Amino acid sequence: NAGVTQTPKFQVLKTGQSMTLQCAQDMNHEYMSWYRQDPGMGLRLIHYSVGAGITDQGEVPNGYNVSRSTTEDFPLRLLSAAPSQTSVYFCASSTAEGRTYGYTFGSGTRLTVV
Amino acid sequence: GNSVTQMEGPVTLSEEAFLTINCTYTATGYPSLFWYVQYPGEGLQLLLKATKADDKGSNKGFEATYRKETTSFHLEKGSVQVSDSAVYFCALSFYTGTASKLTFGTGTRLQVTL
Repeated sequence: NAGVTQTPKFQVLKTGQSMTLQCAQDMNHEYMSWYRQDPGMGLRLIHYSVGAGITDQGEVPNGYNVSRSTTEDFPLRLLSAAPSQTSVYFCASSTAEGRTYGYTFGSGTRLTVV
Repeated sequence: GNSVTQMEGPVTLSEEAFLTINCTYTATGYPSLFWYVQYPGEGLQLLLKATKADDKGSNKGFEATYRKETTSFHLEKGSVQVSDSAVYFCALSFYTGTASKLTFGTGTRLQVTL
């Protein structure tokens, strides 16, 4: 099925460990983004990309790195995990003019940092 | 900056009751407006959208009208079902010429009982 695929679905990390959350889409969408979802705060934008080789910071970028080497993939890296990064992470993609067709979201990665 | 304000939940209704979830926004210019739904353990799904003033978005019995004069986009359904139990997010986006970015409300949890 076409859509946005996120892996892993669940992850537990120790403080200071690093990891990469994977996101892939097969819809040839130019725009991809990462959000974190925390209770009572809705979804907040971490980083986004408007195309291969182009990334920018969102609302809460600290502690996270991204790169976009292909149209399909947009991995999110945690360099040194902290308990404050315990959250549910969603990847989303859209055409550049996402207001026309809306965004497609992945099913999320639930991350716990202990 | 842009922001979205939703009524706080949880909202608990009996099956076949009328639903309203309030959403207001603050934005410079004229954003596109969305309602997304998140079922337990899943990612967000686009429920409906409106791209200009007075547009009405509708899907699965849900409706919302883009009201520029009151900067609102309230979600309504005439008769809710148990299967509508989920978290509902109001969101807006602007197209900047390179991409659209979503700004979310905090979400409203709806619980429908028999």
